[in-house]
Amino acid sequence: RKEVEQDPGPFNVPEGATVAFNCTYSNSASQSFFWYRQDCRKEPKLLMSVYSSGNEDGRFTAQLNRASQYISLLIRDSKLSDSATYLCVVSRYGGATNKLIFGTGTLLAVQP
Amino acid sequence: EAGVAQSPRYKIIEKRQSVAFWCNPISGHATLYWYQQILGQGPKLLIQFQNNGVVDDSQLPKDRFSAERLKGVDSTLKIQPAKLEDSAVYLCASTGSYNEQFFGPGTRLTVL
Repeated sequence: RKEVEQDPGPFNVPEGATVAFNCTYSNSASQSFFWYRQDCRKEPKLLMSVYSSGNEDGRFTAQLNRASQYISLLIRDSKLSDSATYLCVVSRYGGATNKLIFGTGTLLAVQP
Repeated sequence: EAGVAQSPRYKIIEKRQSVAFWCNPISGHATLYWYQQILGQGPKLLIQFQNNGVVDDSQLPKDRFSAERLKGVDSTLKIQPAKLEDSAVYLCASTGSYNEQFFGPGTRLTVL
């Protein structure tokens, strides 16, 4: 079983739709949580950190449930420019420093 | 601020040949990472440096992969000899004080 699991998609949604991505992690020692965005043939970039209290950045809302080891990302009013792969990432202490564990990513395609 | 630089951007080699990738992290970033991203998967950590010391190389196939960061700044990753399954994007990332990882554009390796 992978340490971070995501539905690979693709999620095909029309512009303006609301879409939700889910992610589960298996290591309860995980400390920090993130969503990264990766455009086609580009490098991953940090989208937002995820906190237990939930956090919002414009149209994006991230949520963490430590008890269920579950992370979510909600995108409201989808834009064509939101089309990308969304990577769920957890951080845990691995030896001398923190290490990031990436999920396989969920592909989002927003259709006009 | 200049980002993480990598070269070459693309490399095509035949199996059993050798190849080297170069990375220059963001100025002042002490921590440097090499990741392997196979098509359809999330990045997988190969090796992590703190200044010029290795802090995690548990997932580096040491029979064929090697990496160094001699002066604590730029780094090279080498594969010798390459196998077909090494075809992937090799991403370099660096971290400063706030633990956000910044990725370079990657080197896309094709092994024929």
